[in-house]
Amino acid sequence: EIVMTQSPATLSVSPGERVTLSCRASQTLSSNLAWYQQKPGQAPRLLIYGASNRATGIPARFSGSGSETEFTLTISGLQSEDFAVYYCQQYNDWPRYTFGQGTKVDIK
Amino acid sequence: EVQLVESGGGLVQPGGSLRLSCAASGFTFSSYWMHWVRQAPGKGLVWVSRINSDGSTTNSADFVKGRFTISRDNAKNTLYLQVNSLRAEDTAVYYCTRDLQIWGQGTVVTVSS
Repeated sequence: EIVMTQSPATLSVSPGERVTLSCRASQTLSSNLAWYQQKPGQAPRLLIYGASNRATGIPARFSGSGSETEFTLTISGLQSEDFAVYYCQQYNDWPRYTFGQGTKVDIK
Repeated sequence: EVQLVESGGGLVQPGGSLRLSCAASGFTFSSYWMHWVRQAPGKGLVWVSRINSDGSTTNSADFVKGRFTISRDNAKNTLYLQVNSLRAEDTAVYYCTRDLQIWGQGTVVTVSS
C-alpha cells in the first residue's frame, strides 16, 4: 500500500496569505495525485487532479505541482471560504487508492 | 445538475447489516465507475470499494474482507453497498462518489450496542 504523508498537520494563517501544503508518497506516483478540500459537515470537493490540473469551477488561486513522490498544493491569497481540511490522494496504485491524513488550514 | 444522494445509514448493533444506497441524477450513470469512501468521526478519508460502469468488475479494500458488497442497478441509476458483520470500527460517514470526482453528502452508519 502506498502511504501518503501530508505536512504540516495544521497550518494557522491569515486571510490574504499564500499557503503551501505538502504531500509525500512512499512510492512514485508519476502525476496520479489529486487534492480535495473538505469543510466541516460537508463532503470532500475535488480541487486538483493529475497533480496540477484544476477541476471544473475551481478558482485559479488553487494550484498544484510536483511529480513522482513530492507534491504541493498552493493557495495564493487565502480567502475566508478556504479555511478547511485538505487531503491528497493517490490513484497510481489502483484500486488501492489511499489518502493522506489531511492538513487543516485554520485562522491565525 | 449532477447529484448523488446516499441513504440507508443508521444505528445498528455489532454483527448487524445495512444496505446503503446512492441515487444518481444529472448524468449518464451507466457510463461511470462508482466508488464508496468512508470517514470515521474526526478521521480521514478511506477508500472502500469501486464498481465499473456495467457492474461486471468490483474491487474492495482489504479491510472489507468479504463483509461488504458493492453493486449497482443502472436501470434505477442507483449504487449500493451491502455491509454485513458490522463492527464498531465501521462507524463512519459513507460517501458515494462518481470517479472520485463528484461526491454525495454521505450517510451515517453507527455500530453500537
